[in-house]
Amino acid sequence: DVKVTQSSRYLVKRTGEKVFLECVQDMDHENMFWYRQDPGLGLRLIYFSYDVKMKEKGDIPEGYSVSREKKERFSLILESASTNQTSMYLCASSEGWNQPQHFGDGTRLSIL
Amino acid sequence: DAKTTQPTSMDCAEGRAANLPCNHSTISGNEYVYWYRQIHSQGPQYIIHGLKNNETNEMASLIITEDRKSSTLILPHATLRDTAVYYCIVNSGAGSYQLTFGKGTKLSVIP
Repeated sequence: DVKVTQSSRYLVKRTGEKVFLECVQDMDHENMFWYRQDPGLGLRLIYFSYDVKMKEKGDIPEGYSVSREKKERFSLILESASTNQTSMYLCASSEGWNQPQHFGDGTRLSIL
Repeated sequence: DAKTTQPTSMDCAEGRAANLPCNHSTISGNEYVYWYRQIHSQGPQYIIHGLKNNETNEMASLIITEDRKSSTLILPHATLRDTAVYYCIVNSGAGSYQLTFGKGTKLSVIP
């Protein structure tokens, strides 16, 4: 079974802090994704990566950056956290473009 | 990606088959049908996907009509743990990497 592990289920941070969300997958997948999920807005893609050190912007990249130094790990960075970044963050990975995405359990992030 | 239409909610008795329909009348030839579900406060879980042929795995069966304009996800023996929101997504993969989740169908399995 594919396993996508996100470092924290719940996280509380303060406005202005730099926040790191970590995601690890154990299936040697090429593609990794970061989404946020908000009530009424569905899933929105922040960034994705198709290879080590490669990244592409999704629909809402502003205020975020990502890092993929190793194939199995994809990090999401909130450069200076703001209250409107309070959300559920979901990491996913897939073997290829026509293959299903497998999700982690999510990190519920609150910015105070 | 093609738009999908699903009923807002459905009930199913525990132990019975749950049949969840999805309409995707504008699907194009290279688009796959994917099904995911999300249990409250957890990440989406992949269930099954297909292009043209019916598919079956350990979780469910996917029946796609011959014209590919609709499909049905079948959970053969629903349990209380199958209570979740089920999403039908149409996606071509390459160049359409983002999954677009609609409102889905809230399936309630009743004891």
